[in-house]
Amino acid sequence: DSGVTQTPKHLITATGQRVTLRCSPRSGDLSVYWYQQSLDQGLQFLIQYYNGEERAKGNILERFSAQQFPDLHSELNLSSLELGDSALYFCASSTGPYTGELFFGEGSRLTVL
Amino acid sequence: GESVGLHLPTLSVQEGDNSIINCAYSNSASDYFIWYKQESGKGPQFIIDIRSNMDKRQGQRVTVLLNKTVKHLSLQIAATQPGDSAVYFCAETAGQGAQKLVFGQGTRLTINP
Repeated sequence: DSGVTQTPKHLITATGQRVTLRCSPRSGDLSVYWYQQSLDQGLQFLIQYYNGEERAKGNILERFSAQQFPDLHSELNLSSLELGDSALYFCASSTGPYTGELFFGEGSRLTVL
Repeated sequence: GESVGLHLPTLSVQEGDNSIINCAYSNSASDYFIWYKQESGKGPQFIIDIRSNMDKRQGQRVTVLLNKTVKHLSLQIAATQPGDSAVYFCAETAGQGAQKLVFGQGTRLTINP
């Protein structure tokens, strides 16, 4: 158990809809990262927050947004969903913004029909 | 641009043998490299990291070797066990810690009894 909690574990929705994925980082971790893992694809970095502020942005679509709240939990919002958005979405946390040792949650599997 | 690739998508070894998983990178500015293990149905798990000022680092049953001349990274697992079955990802970044961590496609390691 990494200590990172993601909800929901599974989510099935239709094209055009909007969903919110939630992540609670490990206790004490200030950095939260979001990654997308599509079938047979590697992990694609989406976005990082550190202590409530956006720190780095990767290949995150404009239809996607995220935020980190004062209690350090984070939410990833996916809107106008398309079939290609079906993927595993991982949240990870770390103690600081410059370590490569990330602790990943078990992911939220999104299926868009 | 940055790219991290793996020589082989699958690797099959006998239980008890040593495993070697290879990874090539193209960004000569990369200075921090990490190996992650992802078991089925779980999030990636940090194994070991190495900075560019080193060429070898050892952990428990694992050794990472870095050859900056040919931009090659390898993960050696000693006395491979059934629990080592997983997909192994190398990841690299250039001077920004985990902010722009680029993951490779992954190698699936299968252990034969």
